[in-house]
Amino acid sequence: EAEVAQSPRYKITEKSQAVAFWCDPISGHATLYWYRQILGQGPELLVQFQDESVVDDSQLPKDRFSAERLKGVDSTLKIQPAELGDSAMYLCASSLGPSGEETQYFGPGTRLLVL
Amino acid sequence: GENVEQHPSTLSVQEGDSAVIKCTYSDSASNYFPWYKQELGKGPQLIIDIRSNVGEKKDQRIAVTLNKTAKHFSLHITETQPEDSAVYFCAASKQKLVFGTGTRLLVSP
Repeated sequence: EAEVAQSPRYKITEKSQAVAFWCDPISGHATLYWYRQILGQGPELLVQFQDESVVDDSQLPKDRFSAERLKGVDSTLKIQPAELGDSAMYLCASSLGPSGEETQYFGPGTRLLVL
Repeated sequence: GENVEQHPSTLSVQEGDSAVIKCTYSDSASNYFPWYKQELGKGPQLIIDIRSNVGEKKDQRIAVTLNKTAKHFSLHITETQPEDSAVYFCAASKQKLVFGTGTRLLVSP
């Protein structure tokens, strides 16, 4: 069964350092999402891509976060500089299309700890 | 924007009992309502979903009901098993998924 791949699974960094997370969606899925999940809460959308284009980044803290999906396949989410409040699980998901009714499939996540 | 509330936050049941988790949403234009199960250290996994033109959907021991007038939907798990223990999230979507705060279900043998 096809799965969304993410790496690394765990990342510990010090505040003010730069971190990057990678996601490879299910083959053929045109839409890719990055979510942030704070402990004890549900995932919150950070950015949505349709192919290589950003569809929604309204909740992405653009002063420190950036995301790209250059060839419309895999994607990278970067934080620079990291802050203590960025400690969370970062989840990647993909779906066949951008409709709000499309099933989203999630990867295992990257757990970030900022010291 | 959409707001989703989920209750209870924790639920403990004995193996074989039924479990019910309830969610309410605020945007009447939302038309897709998935439920996800998240095990420790893993990403959320879709277990069932329902669309606004359907009132109820069932898949073996899991069922979901939707009341669009009252803007609430519920997850029902029958004959619970220890492996059902996890955190369950409801979500509502018009153009993007908005998640509830989660319910930690513990099924004791």
